[in-house]
Amino acid sequence: NAGVTQTPKFQVLKTGQSMTLQCAQDMNHNSMYWYRQDPGMGLRLIYYSASEGTTDKGEVPNGYNVSRLNKREFSLRLESAAPSQTSVYFCASSVGGWETQYFGPGTRLLVL
Amino acid sequence: SQQGEEDPQALSIQEGENATMNCSYKTSINNLQWYRQNSGRGLVHLILIRSNEREKHSGRLRVTLDTSKKSSSLLITASRAADTASYFCATRIQGAQKLVFGQGTRLTINP
Repeated sequence: NAGVTQTPKFQVLKTGQSMTLQCAQDMNHNSMYWYRQDPGMGLRLIYYSASEGTTDKGEVPNGYNVSRLNKREFSLRLESAAPSQTSVYFCASSVGGWETQYFGPGTRLLVL
Repeated sequence: SQQGEEDPQALSIQEGENATMNCSYKTSINNLQWYRQNSGRGLVHLILIRSNEREKHSGRLRVTLDTSKKSSSLLITASRAADTASYFCATRIQGAQKLVFGQGTRLTINP
């Protein structure tokens, strides 16, 4: 089992560009999450999907959109990147909502 | 204090010693989780303790939960160099759809 995979590992964008971060899990988990991690800020929830077909906003959703493509995949889209979105992005999944979460390796995003 | 606030922010000890990290929170919780993050990597789940539990063990890890004091502690016994990492507590707030992470304790084990 690969667990939770994320692509790309690292990305540099210019302000205003768009991109999609991909996440997939092979553990048959129902719930999936996107977090961002900034120095001194801990992890903050951007969006989550409690189950296939549902998505909900987290603490910091502005500037982001998500798609739960199927049970395995949960993507995060930045429509018009801003320097404030420079961060490390983590995808996670869990069997049920807010139980033990399994994290991917992260995507480091730099917006210039 | 914030929900899920760890103390200390940084801890440096000698290999073989025990390391204790604390987490305090403000509102009632369903469960509290501890995670480890090695530099440049994703978080790895260590232990989940539910609000009706007081203590859980996993190998060299011992977690306690005191809901009356709204606090938890993570004890790592007989520390090893490989335990060097950041440790985060995360609280599942009762009645809310969220898991709130603290800012972490950075643990350094010196050989």
